[in-house]
Amino acid sequence: DTEVTQTPKHLVMGMTNKKSLKCEQHMGHRAMYWYKQKAKKPPELMFVYSYEKLSINESVPSRFSPECPNSSLLNLHLHALQPEDSALYLCASSQGQGTHEQFFGPGTRLTVL
Amino acid sequence: GDSVTQMEGPVTLSEEAFLTINCTYTATGYPSLFWYVQYPGEGLQLLLKATKADDKGSNKGFEATYRKETTSFHLEKGSVQVSDSAVYFCALGAKDTGRRALTFGSGTRLQVQP
Repeated sequence: DTEVTQTPKHLVMGMTNKKSLKCEQHMGHRAMYWYKQKAKKPPELMFVYSYEKLSINESVPSRFSPECPNSSLLNLHLHALQPEDSALYLCASSQGQGTHEQFFGPGTRLTVL
Repeated sequence: GDSVTQMEGPVTLSEEAFLTINCTYTATGYPSLFWYVQYPGEGLQLLLKATKADDKGSNKGFEATYRKETTSFHLEKGSVQVSDSAVYFCALGAKDTGRRALTFGSGTRLQVQP
Protein backbone atom coordinates (compact mmCIF):
# COMPACT_ATOMS: atom_id res chain seq x y z
CA ASP A 1 0.00 0.00 0.00
CA THR A 2 1.69 3.22 -1.16
CA GLU A 3 -1.20 5.54 -0.54
CA VAL A 4 -1.93 8.40 1.80
CA THR A 5 -5.66 8.85 2.27
CA GLN A 6 -7.44 11.95 3.50
CA THR A 7 -11.01 12.53 4.59
CA PRO A 8 -13.17 14.37 3.90
CA LYS A 9 -12.41 15.43 0.33
CA HIS A 10 -14.38 18.64 0.75
CA LEU A 11 -15.47 20.49 3.89
CA VAL A 12 -17.55 23.61 4.34
CA MET A 13 -17.73 25.06 7.83
CA GLY A 14 -18.84 28.18 9.61
CA MET A 15 -16.55 30.23 11.79
CA THR A 16 -18.06 28.81 14.98
CA ASN A 17 -17.89 25.15 13.95
CA LYS A 18 -15.49 22.48 15.17
CA LYS A 19 -14.37 19.94 12.62
CA SER A 20 -11.49 17.53 12.05
CA LEU A 21 -9.46 16.48 9.05
CA LYS A 22 -8.12 12.93 8.96
CA CYS A 23 -5.09 11.40 7.29
CA GLU A 24 -3.95 7.78 7.18
CA GLN A 25 -0.96 5.91 5.77
CA HIS A 26 0.05 2.24 5.97
CA MET A 27 3.57 2.46 4.57
CA GLY A 28 5.25 2.25 7.95
CA HIS A 29 6.40 5.86 7.63
CA ARG A 30 7.49 7.52 10.87
CA ALA A 31 7.13 11.16 9.82
CA MET A 32 3.83 12.81 8.94
CA TYR A 33 3.11 16.37 7.83
CA TRP A 34 0.32 18.89 7.43
CA TYR A 35 0.57 21.50 4.70
CA LYS A 36 -1.72 24.35 3.70
CA GLN A 37 -1.93 25.30 0.04
CA LYS A 38 -3.61 28.43 -1.29
CA ALA A 39 -4.52 28.73 -4.95
CA LYS A 40 -1.54 29.09 -7.31
CA LYS A 41 0.93 28.82 -4.42
CA PRO A 42 3.25 26.07 -3.20
CA PRO A 43 2.34 24.09 -0.09
CA GLU A 44 3.23 25.77 3.19
CA LEU A 45 4.39 23.56 6.00
CA MET A 46 2.23 23.69 9.14
CA PHE A 47 3.22 20.77 11.37
CA VAL A 48 5.57 17.80 11.40
CA TYR A 49 5.23 14.70 13.54
CA SER A 50 8.18 12.41 13.93
CA TYR A 51 7.68 9.11 15.74
CA GLU A 52 4.27 10.35 16.87
CA LYS A 53 5.71 13.43 18.54
CA LEU A 54 5.25 16.97 17.31
CA SER A 55 8.66 18.10 16.06
CA ILE A 56 7.85 21.22 14.04
CA ASN A 57 5.10 23.80 14.47
CA GLU A 58 5.54 26.58 11.94
CA SER A 59 3.94 29.20 14.20
CA VAL A 60 0.47 28.05 13.23
CA PRO A 61 -2.47 29.76 15.02
CA SER A 62 -3.95 27.77 17.87
CA ARG A 63 -7.28 27.42 16.03
CA PHE A 64 -5.45 24.58 14.23
CA SER A 65 -4.66 21.69 16.56
CA PRO A 66 -2.81 18.62 15.28
CA GLU A 67 -2.97 15.16 16.79
CA CYS A 68 -1.14 11.94 16.03
CA PRO A 69 -3.02 9.09 17.77
CA ASN A 70 -0.69 6.42 16.36
CA SER A 71 1.98 5.97 13.72
CA SER A 72 -0.58 5.57 10.91
CA LEU A 73 -3.00 8.37 11.72
CA LEU A 74 -2.80 12.13 11.73
CA ASN A 75 -5.64 14.48 12.56
CA LEU A 76 -6.04 18.22 12.26
CA HIS A 77 -8.68 19.69 14.57
CA LEU A 78 -10.23 22.95 13.44
CA HIS A 79 -12.02 25.47 15.64
CA ALA A 80 -13.10 29.08 15.17
CA LEU A 81 -11.52 29.37 11.75
CA GLN A 82 -11.49 32.50 9.62
CA PRO A 83 -12.47 32.81 5.95
CA GLU A 84 -8.79 33.31 5.06
CA ASP A 85 -8.16 29.77 6.32
CA SER A 86 -9.99 28.46 3.27
CA ALA A 87 -7.44 26.39 1.34
CA LEU A 88 -6.41 22.90 0.30
CA TYR A 89 -5.00 21.01 3.29
CA LEU A 90 -2.51 18.35 2.36
CA CYS A 91 -1.19 15.51 4.45
CA ALA A 92 2.09 13.81 3.64
CA SER A 93 4.26 11.08 5.07
CA SER A 94 7.88 10.04 4.71
CA GLN A 95 10.13 7.31 5.95
CA GLY A 96 11.92 9.82 8.14
CA GLN A 97 12.09 13.57 8.56
CA GLY A 98 14.50 15.37 6.28
CA THR A 99 15.73 14.07 2.96
CA HIS A 100 13.35 11.20 2.30
CA GLU A 101 10.73 11.84 -0.32
CA GLN A 102 7.28 12.68 0.91
CA PHE A 103 4.11 10.99 -0.27
CA PHE A 104 1.09 13.25 -0.40
CA GLY A 105 -2.58 12.59 0.02
CA PRO A 106 -5.20 14.11 -2.32
CA GLY A 107 -6.02 16.85 0.14
CA THR A 108 -9.12 18.28 1.80
CA ARG A 109 -10.61 21.36 0.17
CA LEU A 110 -11.75 23.53 3.09
CA THR A 111 -14.12 26.46 2.75
CA VAL A 112 -14.80 28.66 5.78
CA LEU A 113 -17.92 30.79 5.52
CA GLY B 1 18.46 29.60 4.59
CA ASP B 2 17.49 27.07 1.96
CA SER B 3 15.59 28.26 -1.09
CA VAL B 4 14.38 27.04 -4.47
CA THR B 5 13.82 29.26 -7.50
CA GLN B 6 11.74 28.16 -10.47
CA MET B 7 11.02 29.84 -13.75
CA GLU B 8 7.81 31.83 -13.91
CA GLY B 9 4.88 30.33 -15.72
CA PRO B 10 2.66 29.59 -17.33
CA VAL B 11 4.63 27.68 -19.92
CA THR B 12 2.49 27.03 -22.99
CA LEU B 13 3.62 24.41 -25.49
CA SER B 14 2.17 22.51 -28.39
CA GLU B 15 1.87 18.74 -28.14
CA GLU B 16 5.17 16.91 -28.90
CA ALA B 17 7.26 20.00 -28.12
CA PHE B 18 10.39 19.82 -25.94
CA LEU B 19 9.98 20.94 -22.34
CA THR B 20 12.47 22.54 -19.99
CA ILE B 21 11.48 23.95 -16.60
CA ASN B 22 14.39 25.60 -14.83
CA CYS B 23 15.08 25.09 -11.13
CA THR B 24 18.00 26.40 -9.10
CA TYR B 25 18.58 26.07 -5.40
CA THR B 26 20.49 27.49 -2.48
CA ALA B 27 21.32 25.18 0.40
CA THR B 28 24.03 24.34 2.87
CA GLY B 29 25.49 20.91 2.50
CA TYR B 30 24.24 18.42 -0.04
CA PRO B 31 20.45 18.32 -0.21
CA SER B 32 18.20 15.85 -1.97
CA LEU B 33 16.21 17.29 -4.87
CA PHE B 34 12.71 16.44 -6.06
CA TRP B 35 10.20 17.29 -8.73
CA TYR B 36 6.54 17.02 -7.80
CA VAL B 37 3.56 17.35 -10.13
CA GLN B 38 0.09 18.55 -9.18
CA TYR B 39 -2.82 17.93 -11.52
CA PRO B 40 -5.93 20.12 -11.15
CA GLY B 41 -7.87 19.37 -7.98
CA GLU B 42 -5.35 16.82 -6.73
CA GLY B 43 -2.50 16.49 -4.26
CA LEU B 44 1.19 16.41 -5.14
CA GLN B 45 2.74 13.36 -6.77
CA LEU B 46 6.45 12.66 -6.66
CA LEU B 47 7.68 12.73 -10.25
CA LEU B 48 11.39 12.09 -9.76
CA LYS B 49 14.26 12.58 -7.36
CA ALA B 50 18.04 12.78 -7.06
CA THR B 51 19.98 12.40 -3.85
CA LYS B 52 23.54 13.29 -4.84
CA ALA B 53 25.51 15.28 -7.39
CA ASP B 54 25.36 14.01 -11.00
CA ASP B 55 22.42 11.72 -10.21
CA LYS B 56 19.77 11.69 -12.93
CA GLY B 57 16.19 11.15 -11.88
CA SER B 58 13.73 9.94 -14.50
CA ASN B 59 10.10 8.91 -14.71
CA LYS B 60 7.36 8.90 -17.37
CA GLY B 61 9.70 10.46 -19.93
CA PHE B 62 10.74 13.30 -17.60
CA GLU B 63 14.37 13.71 -16.56
CA ALA B 64 16.38 15.97 -14.29
CA THR B 65 20.09 15.93 -13.41
CA TYR B 66 21.47 17.13 -10.07
CA ARG B 67 24.14 19.69 -11.05
CA LYS B 68 26.12 20.75 -7.99
CA GLU B 69 28.39 23.10 -9.93
CA THR B 70 25.45 25.16 -11.15
CA THR B 71 23.13 24.35 -8.20
CA SER B 72 20.44 23.34 -10.66
CA PHE B 73 17.90 20.58 -11.21
CA HIS B 74 16.15 21.43 -14.46
CA LEU B 75 13.19 19.30 -15.56
CA GLU B 76 13.10 18.13 -19.19
CA LYS B 77 10.87 16.05 -21.42
CA GLY B 78 11.46 15.36 -25.06
CA SER B 79 7.84 15.31 -26.23
CA VAL B 80 5.02 16.64 -24.07
CA GLN B 81 1.41 15.50 -24.19
CA VAL B 82 -1.82 17.28 -23.34
CA SER B 83 -2.04 15.04 -20.27
CA ASP B 84 1.19 16.61 -18.92
CA SER B 85 -0.68 19.86 -18.28
CA ALA B 86 -0.23 20.48 -14.57
CA VAL B 87 1.75 22.50 -12.04
CA TYR B 88 5.31 21.34 -11.43
CA PHE B 89 7.12 22.02 -8.15
CA CYS B 90 10.85 21.72 -7.59
CA ALA B 91 11.70 20.90 -3.96
CA LEU B 92 14.73 20.48 -1.75
CA GLY B 93 15.18 18.26 1.29
CA ALA B 94 18.01 19.15 3.60
CA LYS B 95 20.03 16.53 5.42
CA ASP B 96 20.22 18.88 8.37
CA THR B 97 16.55 18.69 9.28
CA GLY B 98 16.59 22.05 11.01
CA ARG B 99 13.17 23.63 11.04
CA ARG B 100 11.90 22.56 7.67
CA ALA B 101 10.91 19.37 5.98
CA LEU B 102 10.84 20.20 2.25
CA THR B 103 11.48 23.60 0.72
CA PHE B 104 9.33 24.14 -2.38
CA GLY B 105 9.76 26.43 -5.33
CA SER B 106 6.85 28.62 -6.36
CA GLY B 107 5.63 26.15 -8.99
CA THR B 108 5.45 26.37 -12.79
CA ARG B 109 2.18 25.85 -14.59
CA LEU B 110 2.50 23.91 -17.85
CA GLN B 111 -0.24 24.12 -20.45
CA VAL B 112 0.04 21.77 -23.44
CA GLN B 113 -2.20 22.51 -26.40
CA PRO B 114 -3.27 19.85 -28.92
